[in-house]
Amino acid sequence: DVQLVESGGGLVQPGGSLRLSCAASGFTISDNEFNWVRQAPGKGLEWISHTSSSGSFMFYADSVKGRFTMSRDNAKNSLYLQMNDLKVEDTAIYYCARLNTILQVANYNWFDPWGQGTLVTVSS
Amino acid sequence: DIQMTQSPSSLSASVGDRVTITCRANQTITRFLNWYQQKPGKAPKVLIYAASTLQSGVPSRFSGSGSGTDFSLTISSLQPEDYAVYYCQQSHSVPLTFGPGTKVDI
Repeated sequence: DVQLVESGGGLVQPGGSLRLSCAASGFTISDNEFNWVRQAPGKGLEWISHTSSSGSFMFYADSVKGRFTMSRDNAKNSLYLQMNDLKVEDTAIYYCARLNTILQVANYNWFDPWGQGTLVTVSS
Repeated sequence: DIQMTQSPSSLSASVGDRVTITCRANQTITRFLNWYQQKPGKAPKVLIYAASTLQSGVPSRFSGSGSGTDFSLTISSLQPEDYAVYYCQQSHSVPLTFGPGTKVDI
């Protein structure tokens, strides 16, 4: 089965750091692009970061730029999100998701699969 | 940034009803539009990509249409397992953005 499993969430104080992991199984991450998407309690979905298959290109939402860093370890078949200088508003469930692409008239892409998510709570 | 809106924000419907949710982008995204379903406590699941292509394994009662700035998701005959929140998402350009969601309940 193709699966993503996140870990590393927890309670952290404002200004603190946390590193999330996303382990892939059933496929090799080296040929794929990935994203992190978060969801604050009771709120909608917010895309926060993207990595190209090579890891050469990374994109971040303005809300996390300069504080969060996405990385990948193809040997471990895993993705990571290093989160520094955490703020109360970063409290959310964090999902990793593979970006699927299909060439039709253009390169259309969508998130699938998603992990089950890991909860990050930033509070004093 | 491309802003996505959805309407309605919530709706109540009965089993067997035809339900339509609309999604609008504030600039053209051609057909770079996906639809997701999220049930409580679960991760989102893709239903439709490229505006109208049904994801493998998704029931045929779900369909998507539209291009440019206006899109819709239709459930032809609502089933009990379809009660969920539905999100549209544009994949035209970074930052990738989602609509605020439409909650479908009884």
